[in-house]
Amino acid sequence: GENVEQHPSTLSVQEGDSAVIKCTYSDSASNYFPWYKQELGKGPQLIIDIRSNVGEKKDQRIAVTLNKTAKHFSLHITETQPEDSAVYFCAASQVQGAQKLVFGQGTRLTINP
Amino acid sequence: DAGITQSPRHKVTETGTPVTLRCHQTENHRYMYWYRQDPGHGLRLIHYSYGVKDTDKGEVSDGYSVSRSKTEDFLLTLESATSSQTSVYFCAIKGTAAGNEQFFGPGTRLTVL
Repeated sequence: GENVEQHPSTLSVQEGDSAVIKCTYSDSASNYFPWYKQELGKGPQLIIDIRSNVGEKKDQRIAVTLNKTAKHFSLHITETQPEDSAVYFCAASQVQGAQKLVFGQGTRLTINP
Repeated sequence: DAGITQSPRHKVTETGTPVTLRCHQTENHRYMYWYRQDPGHGLRLIHYSYGVKDTDKGEVSDGYSVSRSKTEDFLLTLESATSSQTSVYFCAIKGTAAGNEQFFGPGTRLTVL
Protein backbone atom coordinates (compact mmCIF):
# COMPACT_ATOMS: atom_id res chain seq x y z
CA GLY A 1 0.00 0.00 0.00
CA GLU A 2 0.84 3.66 -0.10
CA ASN A 3 3.30 5.18 2.37
CA VAL A 4 3.85 8.92 2.75
CA GLU A 5 6.83 10.43 4.55
CA GLN A 6 6.84 14.13 5.49
CA HIS A 7 9.75 16.35 6.56
CA PRO A 8 10.56 18.28 8.63
CA SER A 9 8.39 17.54 11.64
CA THR A 10 8.88 21.08 12.95
CA LEU A 11 9.85 24.24 11.10
CA SER A 12 10.44 27.72 12.46
CA VAL A 13 10.88 30.71 10.13
CA GLN A 14 10.98 34.46 10.44
CA GLU A 15 7.94 36.40 9.33
CA GLY A 16 8.31 37.33 5.68
CA ASP A 17 10.63 34.43 4.86
CA SER A 18 9.67 31.35 2.87
CA ALA A 19 8.82 27.90 4.21
CA VAL A 20 9.16 24.59 2.39
CA ILE A 21 7.70 21.24 3.48
CA LYS A 22 8.53 18.05 1.60
CA CYS A 23 6.76 14.72 1.17
CA THR A 24 7.62 11.48 -0.57
CA TYR A 25 5.20 8.74 -1.57
CA SER A 26 5.69 5.11 -2.55
CA ASP A 27 2.77 4.08 -4.79
CA SER A 28 3.19 5.09 -8.40
CA ALA A 29 -0.58 4.70 -8.89
CA SER A 30 -1.23 7.73 -6.67
CA ASN A 31 -2.26 10.73 -8.76
CA TYR A 32 -3.76 13.15 -6.24
CA PHE A 33 -1.74 15.10 -3.66
CA PRO A 34 -3.59 17.48 -1.33
CA TRP A 35 -2.18 19.65 1.43
CA TYR A 36 -4.11 20.41 4.59
CA LYS A 37 -3.63 23.07 7.27
CA GLN A 38 -4.80 22.30 10.79
CA GLU A 39 -5.17 24.92 13.47
CA LEU A 40 -5.39 24.02 17.12
CA GLY A 41 -8.66 22.34 18.02
CA LYS A 42 -9.98 22.30 14.46
CA GLY A 43 -10.31 19.85 11.60
CA PRO A 44 -7.84 19.85 8.71
CA GLN A 45 -8.58 22.42 6.03
CA LEU A 46 -7.63 21.86 2.40
CA ILE A 47 -5.32 24.64 1.21
CA ILE A 48 -4.11 23.37 -2.16
CA ASP A 49 -3.90 20.17 -4.16
CA ILE A 50 -2.20 18.91 -7.29
CA ARG A 51 -2.87 16.12 -9.75
CA SER A 52 -0.16 14.08 -11.43
CA ASN A 53 -0.81 15.63 -14.82
CA VAL A 54 0.77 18.94 -13.73
CA GLY A 55 4.12 19.76 -12.18
CA GLU A 56 3.28 22.93 -10.28
CA LYS A 57 0.26 24.81 -9.00
CA LYS A 58 0.07 28.22 -7.32
CA ASP A 59 -2.52 30.02 -5.27
CA GLN A 60 -1.36 33.45 -4.09
CA ARG A 61 1.44 32.83 -1.54
CA ILE A 62 1.13 29.05 -1.67
CA ALA A 63 2.54 26.72 -4.30
CA VAL A 64 2.92 22.97 -4.65
CA THR A 65 5.40 21.18 -6.89
CA LEU A 66 5.31 17.54 -7.94
CA ASN A 67 8.10 15.32 -9.25
CA LYS A 68 6.47 12.07 -10.39
CA THR A 69 9.73 10.42 -11.33
CA ALA A 70 11.22 10.91 -7.88
CA LYS A 71 7.83 10.44 -6.18
CA HIS A 72 8.02 13.59 -4.14
CA PHE A 73 6.00 16.77 -3.78
CA SER A 74 6.54 19.96 -1.81
CA LEU A 75 4.57 22.83 -0.32
CA HIS A 76 6.05 26.32 -0.64
CA ILE A 77 4.74 29.26 1.37
CA THR A 78 6.21 32.65 0.52
CA GLU A 79 6.08 35.90 2.50
CA THR A 80 5.02 34.02 5.61
CA GLN A 81 2.68 35.67 8.09
CA PRO A 82 1.86 34.86 11.73
CA GLU A 83 -1.48 33.34 10.67
CA ASP A 84 0.44 30.72 8.68
CA SER A 85 1.46 29.13 11.99
CA ALA A 86 -0.27 25.73 12.11
CA VAL A 87 0.30 22.03 11.47
CA TYR A 88 0.47 21.09 7.80
CA PHE A 89 -0.24 17.63 6.38
CA CYS A 90 0.45 16.20 2.96
CA ALA A 91 -1.48 13.24 1.60
CA ALA A 92 -1.61 10.97 -1.43
CA SER A 93 -4.25 8.82 -3.10
CA GLN A 94 -5.98 8.18 -6.38
CA VAL A 95 -8.31 11.04 -7.20
CA GLN A 96 -11.28 9.02 -8.42
CA GLY A 97 -13.37 6.45 -6.60
CA ALA A 98 -12.90 5.96 -2.89
CA GLN A 99 -9.93 8.36 -2.67
CA LYS A 100 -8.43 6.71 0.41
CA LEU A 101 -6.03 9.40 1.55
CA VAL A 102 -2.74 8.35 3.15
CA PHE A 103 -1.31 11.19 5.21
CA GLY A 104 2.18 12.23 6.17
CA GLN A 105 3.05 12.69 9.83
CA GLY A 106 2.59 16.45 9.80
CA THR A 107 4.83 19.54 10.08
CA ARG A 108 4.37 22.09 12.83
CA LEU A 109 5.16 25.46 11.27
CA THR A 110 5.90 28.41 13.54
CA ILE A 111 6.22 31.93 12.14
CA ASN A 112 8.33 34.16 14.39
CA PRO A 113 7.47 37.89 14.32
CA ASP B 1 -16.96 23.15 7.23
CA ALA B 2 -18.85 21.83 4.16
CA GLY B 3 -21.94 21.18 6.27
CA ILE B 4 -20.36 18.50 8.45
CA THR B 5 -21.14 18.11 12.14
CA GLN B 6 -19.82 15.54 14.57
CA SER B 7 -21.27 14.47 17.89
CA PRO B 8 -20.30 14.33 20.60
CA ARG B 9 -17.36 16.72 20.38
CA HIS B 10 -15.80 15.31 23.53
CA LYS B 11 -16.31 12.02 25.32
CA VAL B 12 -14.67 10.23 28.23
CA THR B 13 -15.49 6.59 28.68
CA GLU B 14 -14.17 3.50 30.40
CA THR B 15 -12.44 0.48 28.92
CA GLY B 16 -14.88 -2.16 27.74
CA THR B 17 -17.84 0.14 27.15
CA PRO B 18 -19.41 0.62 23.72
CA VAL B 19 -19.12 4.03 22.09
CA THR B 20 -20.81 5.45 19.01
CA LEU B 21 -19.69 8.60 17.23
CA ARG B 22 -21.94 10.33 14.73
CA CYS B 23 -21.13 12.26 11.58
CA HIS B 24 -23.88 14.25 9.90
CA GLN B 25 -23.72 16.01 6.55
CA THR B 26 -26.25 18.31 4.95
CA GLU B 27 -25.12 18.26 1.31
CA ASN B 28 -25.98 14.75 0.09
CA HIS B 29 -22.39 13.67 -0.61
CA ARG B 30 -21.90 10.04 -1.63
CA TYR B 31 -18.56 9.39 0.07
CA MET B 32 -18.02 9.68 3.82
CA TYR B 33 -14.94 8.75 5.84
CA TRP B 34 -13.75 8.20 9.39
CA TYR B 35 -10.12 8.98 10.28
CA ARG B 36 -8.28 8.95 13.56
CA GLN B 37 -5.47 11.35 14.44
CA ASP B 38 -2.65 10.46 16.81
CA PRO B 39 0.64 12.24 17.48
CA GLY B 40 3.34 11.11 15.07
CA HIS B 41 0.89 9.32 12.78
CA GLY B 42 -0.96 12.06 10.98
CA LEU B 43 -4.47 10.93 10.08
CA ARG B 44 -5.27 7.32 9.34
CA LEU B 45 -8.35 5.99 7.58
CA ILE B 46 -10.57 3.70 9.68
CA HIS B 47 -13.57 3.04 7.42
CA TYR B 48 -15.33 4.74 4.57
CA SER B 49 -18.73 4.62 2.88
CA TYR B 50 -19.61 4.99 -0.78
CA GLY B 51 -23.37 4.94 -0.34
CA VAL B 52 -26.20 3.90 1.93
CA LYS B 53 -25.31 0.51 3.44
CA ASP B 54 -22.08 0.43 1.37
CA THR B 55 -18.96 0.55 3.51
CA ASP B 56 -15.39 -0.72 3.39
CA LYS B 57 -12.33 -0.94 5.62
CA GLY B 58 -9.42 1.45 5.80
CA GLU B 59 -5.92 0.86 7.09
CA VAL B 60 -6.77 0.78 10.84
CA SER B 61 -10.22 -0.82 10.98
CA ASP B 62 -9.66 -3.42 13.73
CA GLY B 63 -11.92 -2.77 16.73
CA TYR B 64 -14.24 -0.46 14.79
CA SER B 65 -17.48 -0.91 12.90
CA VAL B 66 -19.54 1.55 10.88
CA SER B 67 -23.05 1.94 9.59
CA ARG B 68 -24.77 4.18 7.10
CA SER B 69 -28.52 3.79 7.00
CA LYS B 70 -29.15 7.29 5.59
CA THR B 71 -27.13 9.38 3.16
CA GLU B 72 -26.59 12.11 5.73
CA ASP B 73 -25.39 10.01 8.68
CA PHE B 74 -22.27 7.87 9.10
CA LEU B 75 -21.79 6.20 12.48
CA LEU B 76 -18.56 4.87 13.95
CA THR B 77 -18.87 2.29 16.74
CA LEU B 78 -16.28 1.01 19.13
CA GLU B 79 -17.88 -2.21 20.35
CA SER B 80 -15.64 -2.46 23.42
CA ALA B 81 -13.43 0.58 23.83
CA THR B 82 -9.75 0.15 24.69
CA SER B 83 -7.17 2.70 25.84
CA SER B 84 -5.43 2.42 22.45
CA GLN B 85 -8.55 3.94 20.90
CA THR B 86 -8.03 7.20 22.77
CA SER B 87 -7.68 9.60 19.88
CA VAL B 88 -9.24 12.45 17.95
CA TYR B 89 -11.70 11.19 15.35
CA PHE B 90 -12.48 13.12 12.20
CA CYS B 91 -15.25 12.58 9.73
CA ALA B 92 -14.79 13.70 6.14
CA ILE B 93 -16.85 13.90 2.97
CA LYS B 94 -15.73 13.95 -0.62
CA GLY B 95 -17.19 16.78 -2.58
CA THR B 96 -19.04 16.14 -5.80
CA ALA B 97 -17.71 19.21 -7.60
CA ALA B 98 -15.00 18.87 -10.20
CA GLY B 99 -12.33 19.18 -7.55
CA ASN B 100 -13.27 15.97 -5.71
CA GLU B 101 -11.69 17.31 -2.56
CA GLN B 102 -12.21 15.87 0.91
CA PHE B 103 -13.53 18.21 3.58
CA PHE B 104 -13.23 17.45 7.26
CA GLY B 105 -15.51 17.94 10.21
CA PRO B 106 -14.49 19.55 13.52
CA GLY B 107 -13.50 16.27 15.21
CA THR B 108 -14.42 14.28 18.33
CA ARG B 109 -11.92 13.90 21.14
CA LEU B 110 -12.37 10.48 22.74
CA THR B 111 -10.63 9.44 25.94
CA VAL B 112 -10.82 5.82 27.07
CA LEU B 113 -9.77 5.36 30.71
